[in-house]
Amino acid sequence: DSGVTQTPKHLITATGQRVTLRCSPRSGDLSVYWYQQSLDQGLQFLIQYYNGEERAKGNILERFSAQQFPDLHSELNLSSLELGDSALYFCASSIHDRGNNYGYTFGSGTRLTVV
Amino acid sequence: ILNVEQSPQSLHVQEGDSTNFTCSFPSSNFYALHWYRWETAKSPEALFVMTLNGDEKKKGRISATLNTKEGYSYLYIKGSQPEDSATYLCAFMLRDTGRRALTFGSGTRLQVQP
Repeated sequence: DSGVTQTPKHLITATGQRVTLRCSPRSGDLSVYWYQQSLDQGLQFLIQYYNGEERAKGNILERFSAQQFPDLHSELNLSSLELGDSALYFCASSIHDRGNNYGYTFGSGTRLTVV
Repeated sequence: ILNVEQSPQSLHVQEGDSTNFTCSFPSSNFYALHWYRWETAKSPEALFVMTLNGDEKKKGRISATLNTKEGYSYLYIKGSQPEDSATYLCAFMLRDTGRRALTFGSGTRLQVQP
């Protein structure tokens, strides 16, 4: 157990629907990162939060949004889902907003399947 | 778009062989280079974080070097074992305040045959 908790582990939903993925960072970590891994693609950076504030944005679609709450957990909201949104979504955390000497700690991911 | 390139894409070696992978990244505005090990059905785990030109890090049979001036890093595995089979990812971070998150390469998939 890495200390980063992601729920749910698996999610199957229909096109056009909206889902919420949840991430609880490792205790003491203030920064949360969301990454997407689609079939045959590497880890694509979506968005980063640090202590409740958005810090960096990657190739995140307008249909996707995220937030980090006062207890530091984060949620990634995906709406108007398309088949191409099927992917493994990882959350990672770190103490500082630039990581730390130990790198990012990753959760086990949420596998989203859009049918 | 700033990318990180990893080579080779995949590698099959015999147990006991030593091997190395390459990671190329933009050399300007460099802040940090990370290496991760990603086993099938698990999450990526950090191996090394390097920030200074000439850095060398070692963990058991695995070591890494960093050249920030020319924008490359090497990962070495000495005497590969079947349990080393995994995808090895490198990722870089820029100094820009708007690019604080890691950009990952596609990885090198290593298969070690017993």
